[in-house]
Amino acid sequence: TQLLEQSPQFLSIQEGENLTVYCNSSSVFSSLQWYRQEPGEGPVLLVTVVTGGEVKKLKRLTFQFGDARKDSSLHITAAQPGDTGLYLCAGERSNFGNEKLTFGTGTRLTIIP
Amino acid sequence: NAGVTQTPKFRVLKTGQSMTLLCAQDMNHEYMYWYRQDPGMGLRLIHYSVGEGTTAKGEVPDGYNVSRLKKQNFLLGLESAAPSQTSVYFCASSYATRFRGPDEQYFGPGTRLTVT
Repeated sequence: TQLLEQSPQFLSIQEGENLTVYCNSSSVFSSLQWYRQEPGEGPVLLVTVVTGGEVKKLKRLTFQFGDARKDSSLHITAAQPGDTGLYLCAGERSNFGNEKLTFGTGTRLTIIP
Repeated sequence: NAGVTQTPKFRVLKTGQSMTLLCAQDMNHEYMYWYRQDPGMGLRLIHYSVGEGTTAKGEVPDGYNVSRLKKQNFLLGLESAAPSQTSVYFCASSYATRFRGPDEQYFGPGTRLTVT
C-alpha cells in the first residue's frame, strides 16, 4: 500500500494553461519534498515544505503543505514545455531519528507546445 | 564533482543469474539509498545505509542484498535474478543527521535492468 497517493497519474495540457497536482496521505508527515524527474535521469529536488499551511513559490510553481501535514499540492501557472516531466512528492514520517523518505506514486506531466 | 554515479547503465540478465550494481558518491554524504522505479509506483526503497558498515531494510528488500564497506560506495546485489526484478534502479545519497531527518537526496542517473 502506497502511503502517498498522487493525482492525477497522467496530465497532458497545452502550453500556457494552469494546472494543479496533488499528493495525499492518511498519515502525518513532518516535512514533504517535491522532486522533478526528466527522462533518463534521476529525480532532482524542487522544494521542501516543513510547516503546516506553508506556501513556497519557485518562479511559476507554487507548493503548499496542508494544514494537517497530510497532503500537499503543486500549482503551475502558464505551463511551459520545459515543465514536462515526472513529479514526485516524498514525505518524512518523523523529524527525529527517521532516516528515510516515502515517495509518492508520481504524476507524469506533458506540456504540449 | 561527479555527484552520484552508477555502474552499469544498462544490463540484461537471464533468470537465475547474479549481478552487483555499484553506486559511488563524492559528496561525503553519510546516508545512501537504493530504490527501484516501476511504472505507476513512484520510487520504492529497497535498502539504505546511515553510515559506513551499516545497512537497513527498506520497503521491498526481498531478493536483494547490500553492502557499505566504504563511505563513498553502496553496492546492491541480486543473487538469483527473477523477471519481477526488471526495473530501473536508482541510487541516492544525502547529508542528514538523526536530529534533523532526511535532507535533499541526490540521485544517480539510474540502471535499467531487464531479467528475461
